[in-house]
Amino acid sequence: NAGVTQTPKFQVLKTGQSMTLQCAQDMNHEYMSWYRQDPGMGLRLIHYSVGAGITDQGEVPNGYNVSRSTTEDFPLRLLSAAPSQTSVYFCASSPSTAGYGYTFGSGTRLTVV
Amino acid sequence: DAKTTQPPSMDCAEGRAANLPCNHSTISGNEYVYWYRQIHSQGPQYIIHGLKNNETNEMASLIITEDRKSSTLILPHATLRDTAVYYCIVRVTGANNLFFGTGTRLTVIP
Repeated sequence: NAGVTQTPKFQVLKTGQSMTLQCAQDMNHEYMSWYRQDPGMGLRLIHYSVGAGITDQGEVPNGYNVSRSTTEDFPLRLLSAAPSQTSVYFCASSPSTAGYGYTFGSGTRLTVV
Repeated sequence: DAKTTQPPSMDCAEGRAANLPCNHSTISGNEYVYWYRQIHSQGPQYIIHGLKNNETNEMASLIITEDRKSSTLILPHATLRDTAVYYCIVRVTGANNLFFGTGTRLTVIP
């Protein structure tokens, strides 16, 4: 049981490049979310999903796309990277039933130059 | 989701109890109180949650006031490894997102 796995752990992109941050969980959780954390700040929600085939926007969705084709995977795509997207990205998952907290991945540290 | 207010920072002596307060005066009846912590740059870690009764697990205790407008997370014997940012979040059961504030930075002092 690996929990929530994020890849890569570190990435440097040039402005305008695109890339996909991977997130996979092996706990059969229905809910999955992507957050970004800027220095000295709390986490902000980018996109989330309540199940395969269902996604929705969070607080800061601009510049990002997501899809949820399987329960296990929830990739985050940066369409055209900008320096403002330099951040640490966390993926999280949770069962849909009450009484459980979210399990977070270890994060992807992205720098856009 | 209701908003929460936490002090920005606190210190605690190693071995003593750390009591972290949280104000959630606008909490509604179907919202739970959740606590997470983030150690250095790691992903947040779930600690405990509760609705209206006090809760205890192997990591901490959660005390919720009778009117549910505030709560306290208690780490009974703080260690240096408990130094972290602690987030108090209110969340409707089954809600699919969390709203993090800036939390309380707890420093455990040797």
